[in-house]
Amino acid sequence: DAMVIQNPRYQVTQFGKPVTLSCSQTLNHNVMYWYQQKSSQAPKLLFHYYDKDFNNEADTPDNFQSRRPNTSFCFLDIRSPGLGDAAMYLCATSRNTDTQYFGPGTRLTVL
Amino acid sequence: QKEVEQDPGPLSVPEGAIVSLNCTYSNSAFQYFMWYRQYSRKGPELLMYTYSSGNKEDGRFTAQVDKSSKYISLFIRDSQPSDSATYLCAMSVWAGNNRKLIWGLGTSLAVNP
Repeated sequence: DAMVIQNPRYQVTQFGKPVTLSCSQTLNHNVMYWYQQKSSQAPKLLFHYYDKDFNNEADTPDNFQSRRPNTSFCFLDIRSPGLGDAAMYLCATSRNTDTQYFGPGTRLTVL
Repeated sequence: QKEVEQDPGPLSVPEGAIVSLNCTYSNSAFQYFMWYRQYSRKGPELLMYTYSSGNKEDGRFTAQVDKSSKYISLFIRDSQPSDSATYLCAMSVWAGNNRKLIWGLGTSLAVNP
């Protein structure tokens, strides 16, 4: 019954080695979001897709990119992960920027 | 001053207690008010969603919004150890053509058996 699915749940990468996180949804929502959450902090919005339109937050580093090949899938690419990028990455979806529903998250470790 | 203020706790209560969690906000343009529950190492789970002043009840949970005071609350009755989690308030506001969420820091709750 999972509605927002994230893979993998845990990802370990090396400093500077590109990594891709994936998100899929069965809700047929037209908006998909990527958040970064560090320990004891609120989720921080990186960017979102409204349908095919990409919306980047002003303070999201260029190191973070995203792709949305179709309604159901969205990817987060980290081109050169640094130690400061270790965090939980959350994918969320909504219908027309209404209530957001989150996936279980991917915990990224950078060695 | 942050747009949304939430006491991070931690809050520790005995099983069966009534829990009150609160957030204050400064932006009168906030339209929708949400409470999310987040277990350790999991994604946030939507608990309650309201858009008008007043109370909304769902089982043991009651969400209260007071727009005149810019204050929202979540009450948990008959708290259970399974309620131990971090509770985040979030409020939505128009930013350009889209709504975005503004989050509180979250309150860590421990319900002790």
